Amino acid sequence: DAGVIQSPRHEVTEMGQEVTLRCKPISGHNSLFWYRQTMMRGLELLIYFNNNVPIDDSGMPEDRFSAKMPNASFSTLKIQPSEPRDSAVYFCASSLSTGKYYGYTFGSGTRLTVV
Amino acid sequence: AQSVAQPEDQVNVAEGNPLTVKCTYSVSGNPYLFWYVQYPNRGLQFLLKYITGDNLVKGSYGFEAEFNKSQTSFHLKKPSALVSDSALYFCAVRDDNYGQNFVFGPGTRLSVLP
Repeated sequence: DAGVIQSPRHEVTEMGQEVTLRCKPISGHNSLFWYRQTMMRGLELLIYFNNNVPIDDSGMPEDRFSAKMPNASFSTLKIQPSEPRDSAVYFCASSLSTGKYYGYTFGSGTRLTVV
Repeated sequence: AQSVAQPEDQVNVAEGNPLTVKCTYSVSGNPYLFWYVQYPNRGLQFLLKYITGDNLVKGSYGFEAEFNKSQTSFHLKKPSALVSDSALYFCAVRDDNYGQNFVFGPGTRLSVLP
C-alpha cells in the first residue's frame, strides 16, 4: 500500500484565493482525520470522518474552512477565502475504526503558504 | 476528558548517551498510549504503543517506553542515542471511555549532538 497520499505537497497562494487540499486514505481504513500543524499551536485536529460521515468538526477554525469526503477513497479540505494566518502544514491521517489498537497513519502533509 | 503533557519543548543529548523524552497523561478510563516521530518535512510515523500487558514496550529504531500507571507516565527511552534520532516526538493518548480520537501532546524536539 502506498500509504496516505496528500496533494499537493506545497501550495503557495495569494490572500483571498480558494485553496483545495486533497487526501487519499489507505484502502480499507474507514476513519479519516485532518490536522493542522503550526509552530505556535502545534498539532490541531480540524475534523474527522467515520465511514465518510463528518463526526466532529469542532476544530474547524471558521466558516472559511470546509471538508468533504464523497467516498471512502477521497477527501478534500477547502479554504475560501484564504488568509495569511492559514499558512501551516496540513496533515491527513487515516485509521481503522478500531484505531485505538493500531493508531493513525499520516500522510506527508501539504505545506500551505498564503501571501 | 483526556489530555497529554510533554513537559519539555526541547531535549538535547550527546550521541551515545541514553535519552528520555517525557510524557504524562490524564484519562478517566484505561489509556491507549502511542509515540510518534516526525522527521523534517515528513508526516508523523508510528514508533510504539501500549495497549495492555507488559509495562515496558519496545518499538522501532531501538526505542522503548515504560508505562507507569501510578505516575500516569509513558516516557520514551533509548539506551544509546544516534544523531539520526534528532526529530520531533509526539505522545498521544486515547481514553477507552471516550470516542475514537487520540489526543496528541505538543511535541518534544530531540537534538542528538555528535
